[in-house]
Amino acid sequence: GAGVSQSPSNKVTEKGKDVELRCDPISGHTALYWYRQSLGQGLEFLIYFQGNSAPDKSGLPSDRFSAERTGGSVSTLTIQRTQQEDSAVYLCASSAVPGVDEQFFGPGTRLTVL
Amino acid sequence: EDQVTQSPEALRLQEGESSSLNCSYTVSGLRGLFWYRQDPGKGPEFLFTLYSAGEEKEKERLKATLTKKESFLHITAPKPEDSATYLCAVDDYGGSQGNLIFGKGTKLSVKP
Repeated sequence: GAGVSQSPSNKVTEKGKDVELRCDPISGHTALYWYRQSLGQGLEFLIYFQGNSAPDKSGLPSDRFSAERTGGSVSTLTIQRTQQEDSAVYLCASSAVPGVDEQFFGPGTRLTVL
Repeated sequence: EDQVTQSPEALRLQEGESSSLNCSYTVSGLRGLFWYRQDPGKGPEFLFTLYSAGEEKEKERLKATLTKKESFLHITAPKPEDSATYLCAVDDYGGSQGNLIFGKGTKLSVKP
């Protein structure tokens, strides 16, 4: 079956603009995660959705970052008033059973803020 | 203090030259330790999950082992196609479920 997909694959924006990144998880996976991977750094957890529960937002770096998940499937990560330090690869992952099953990652969205 | 430390940062091997990658971790309680492979421009690809000390898993030329403080990824007779960055991650009972803590990875290059 299809894996996790993300769009766009690349996004170049100007400082101060808002951006939206999209993630389509594997069908039937109840858990969805967003991570950020900066050059030379490990993957950094951002936010986690599990079914209809309130999301775990503990990893969001500032209130400029937000995410939603509609209908328990597609998720959108929004970054408002982008800054140059937001430049990174944003990765989405999904899993069938959180904390037990492995997470499957999408190809990522490379965000460049000029 | 880093909870997951991988070493070495980079490793260059000749084809057929076996070696090991290390992942040291500090957690309140280990829910699971994960190994991923990441190729340039792609998302991480799942390799193994280990849950308890003494556990071992194998896949082709790769073998992952786990102790209470560290995990090793052994690569036997590597081939150039094994070149990639290998990532280690832990799921800590002290954190939120499923929130993986990643190391910075080991970049492996295998020369023919």
